[in-house]
Amino acid sequence: AQKITQTQPGMFVQEKEAVTLDCTYDTSDQSYGLFWYKQPSSGEMIFLIYQGSYDEQNATEGRYSLNFQKARKSANLVISASQLGDSAMYFCAMREANTDKLIFGTGTRLQVFP
Amino acid sequence: GAGVSQSPSNKVTEKGKDVELRCDPISGHTALYWYRQSLGQGLEFLIYFQGNSAPDKSGLPSDRFSAERTGGSVSTLTIQRTQQEDSAVYLCASSRGPDYGFTFGSGTRLTVV
Repeated sequence: AQKITQTQPGMFVQEKEAVTLDCTYDTSDQSYGLFWYKQPSSGEMIFLIYQGSYDEQNATEGRYSLNFQKARKSANLVISASQLGDSAMYFCAMREANTDKLIFGTGTRLQVFP
Repeated sequence: GAGVSQSPSNKVTEKGKDVELRCDPISGHTALYWYRQSLGQGLEFLIYFQGNSAPDKSGLPSDRFSAERTGGSVSTLTIQRTQQEDSAVYLCASSRGPDYGFTFGSGTRLTVV
């Protein structure tokens, strides 16, 4: 069965610094997609970035990049130049092609301080 | 509409009552998902609809939970004989394809007293 693991319950980072949020996954499928979502205190789920299992390049979206290491089954999110507004919960998620079901990790709470 | 719409935004109900939660997905999105998020927890998958296919109900926690999707659009999640442990935020999401992110609604906060 597929599984997503986020081992960091909380992270702190100073404004303007970069931070890496860890995510490892387990799947027997060859085709899958990896997602990161941000959930601020308001509760909304905001899609940040997507990486397909067959994508050769690491995904990037503005200040967000995904460090995809397929052999290690890791998909870490890198946020560059952190901003105070980045403070939120961050969820890693995976969808296997054969089920289309999106499974979430337990999340990492990121706090950015001045 | 422009986004996924969920109603009501908040619902307080007495233990033992039935509740219905509504989700109106983005027009044209064929996939619709329901998730549950308990306080401070991650998202728990409940049920998934894709087009006219039979729904994946593998995440429903008990037979008190059911969902339907009419006309491939609006979905209703029904919880019968609510229990206090059903208290959570129920999130609906829709998607237009396997390589696209899900768009979530703002959720329904259910409180069972």
